[in-house]
Amino acid sequence: DGGITQSPKYLFRKEGQNVTLSCEQNLNHDAMYWYRQDPGQGLRLIYYSQIVNDFQKGDIAEGYSVSREKKESFPLTVTSAQKNPTAFYLCASSIDPPGRIYNEQFFGPGTRLTVL
Amino acid sequence: KNEVEQSPQNLTAQEGEFITINCSYSVGISALHWLQQHPGGGIVSLFMLSSGKKKHGRLIATINIQEKHSSLHITASHPRDSAVYICAVSNFGNEKLTFGTGTRLTIIP
Repeated sequence: DGGITQSPKYLFRKEGQNVTLSCEQNLNHDAMYWYRQDPGQGLRLIYYSQIVNDFQKGDIAEGYSVSREKKESFPLTVTSAQKNPTAFYLCASSIDPPGRIYNEQFFGPGTRLTVL
Repeated sequence: KNEVEQSPQNLTAQEGEFITINCSYSVGISALHWLQQHPGGGIVSLFMLSSGKKKHGRLIATINIQEKHSSLHITASHPRDSAVYICAVSNFGNEKLTFGTGTRLTIIP
């Protein structure tokens, strides 16, 4: 079955530690995205990638880093520089690169990160 | 920047009721998306539309481009429809989706 997987579903880390969230897709999609969701707020874009070895900052990139070494994978690292890292993180992908008209995105199940 | 507003924020209804969730946006768009977020957090795309009306089973989505408004309707609602429904818009030539804050729907048996 094609889809997007994120692991782990729940993640606990101590303050000051970097942590990497996994996102893998087997949909052969070019574009991938990372979003953060906080209670009472809409999804906010952290980073996105249109193609392998290329990525752009979203609206709230500070304290985060990404890589796109393979088409299937787009891991997100939450660094110690992120002031409020506790949140629900969603990965998505789209068949068309961003900038096309419709940009329908498919979402993974999410990772809930709690920093203690 | 497009502003996306949804109403109501929370909605509780009895099983079988007809449900309407509204979404309005401030700037012309290329497409509007309705998404469903289950209690576990996963998000499923329900509709993507740029004009008119679409129907999938008991779900109907409409959009009025002139009024910059869309509605999501659920007929014969069921407790399994309980979820957060999110409206998002995409703009011509823009890489990003802009999301509303969601409507939390609870259907009581």
